[in-house]
Amino acid sequence: EPEVTQTPSHQVTQMGQEVILRCVPISNHLYFYWYRQILGQKVEFLVSFYNNEISEKSEIFDDQFSVERPDGSNFTLKIRSTKLEDSAMYFCASSLREIPYNEQFFGPGTRLTVL
Amino acid sequence: KNEVEQSPQNLTAQEGEFITINCSYSVGISALHWLQQHPGGGIVSLFMLSSGKKKHGRLIATINIQEKHSSLHITASHPRDSAVYICAVVRDSNYQLIWGAGTKLIIKP
Repeated sequence: EPEVTQTPSHQVTQMGQEVILRCVPISNHLYFYWYRQILGQKVEFLVSFYNNEISEKSEIFDDQFSVERPDGSNFTLKIRSTKLEDSAMYFCASSLREIPYNEQFFGPGTRLTVL
Repeated sequence: KNEVEQSPQNLTAQEGEFITINCSYSVGISALHWLQQHPGGGIVSLFMLSSGKKKHGRLIATINIQEKHSSLHITASHPRDSAVYICAVVRDSNYQLIWGAGTKLIIKP
């Protein structure tokens, strides 16, 4: 069964460093999403992406964040200068059509720890 | 005020019991999702609803659009159902998925 994959599963970085979180969505899906879950808190929407551009973003998704689909299969989230409060689980998701008309499939997540 | 509220926050029950988890929301929505998050963190979509009722195995989800309320029921609960169950709504103004805080369910053998 096709699935969304994410790498790495755990990333540890120093404050101020850049990190890139990678996702491979399901191959025929067209809509891509990033979510964040700080430990003990609820999942929060970061950004949605379609047709090589951002379609929606939340207030959390400020200038230090960027997304890219560099090669038609990977979907990346870059955090330019990490802060302690960026420590969280980051989930990628993809869907065939735009929600609400289609369910999203989630990756296993990348746990980011900023020291 | 949270746009999506779930109750209870925590629920412990014995194997075989009928489980109900509730979700209320305060925004206009296009659809509502029920998701399951396992202890390792992985998230699985269980249902997507925009009206009525859906059933999958021992899981039943209902939604009342007028009352802005949804319920997730588990019949004949089993220890493997232990997980966090999350309600998330698709806000109809911008299609963002707004998540509830989740209900942590523990089923004891």
